[in-house]
Amino acid sequence: NAGVTQTPKFQVLKTGQSMTLQCAQDMNHNSMYWYRQDPGMGLRLIYYSASEGTTDKGEVPNGYNVSRLNKREFSLRLESAAPSQTSVYFCASSEEPNSPLHFGNGTRLTVT
Amino acid sequence: KQEVTQIPAALSVPEGENLVLNCSFTDSAIYNLQWFRQDPGKGLTSLLLIQSSQREQTSGRLNASLDKSSGRSTLYIAASQPGDSATYLCAVRGVNNNDMRFGAGTRLTVKP
Repeated sequence: NAGVTQTPKFQVLKTGQSMTLQCAQDMNHNSMYWYRQDPGMGLRLIYYSASEGTTDKGEVPNGYNVSRLNKREFSLRLESAAPSQTSVYFCASSEEPNSPLHFGNGTRLTVT
Repeated sequence: KQEVTQIPAALSVPEGENLVLNCSFTDSAIYNLQWFRQDPGKGLTSLLLIQSSQREQTSGRLNASLDKSSGRSTLYIAASQPGDSATYLCAVRGVNNNDMRFGAGTRLTVKP
């Protein structure tokens, strides 16, 4: 029972480089989310997808793009990484918006 | 804008003690409130979800209460154990959006 799987676990980028964070869930959930977690600030929503084929901005979307590739997969792309994007990124999913969230183990990203 | 606050930021108790973690939110128009546990370097694990129409939820030694009118929730942990040591976060989903707003968490240490 894998749940929510994120890759990679760790990543170091130089300023201006691009990368894609991958997320897949095997629970047949409709909704998927990308959060970032910074010390002392809690988790903040970057983007979410309420269902396959739809995506919407969250609280902090600037500098990011997302793709809901199919029902299982939801990727997050940084086109031109900045030091302010150094953070821990979490993907989550839920059966519907009013259901419990299930989280992956996170991707620790450092931008130098 | 919904603001979620958790006080204290850190708490240390001896094993066996009963304890209460606090969560407050500024906008009472919520869909649900969820409590999570986060272990170091890991993702978040859902503990309890309380719908807006409910007053409390229980799971084992955990009991979560919700008072929408006062904008407060508490997580009660009975007979604490060293294995309960973790960071506990609460999150609130508003009725007008698909965004869960998180508190910064309370870091709990249970000493043997």
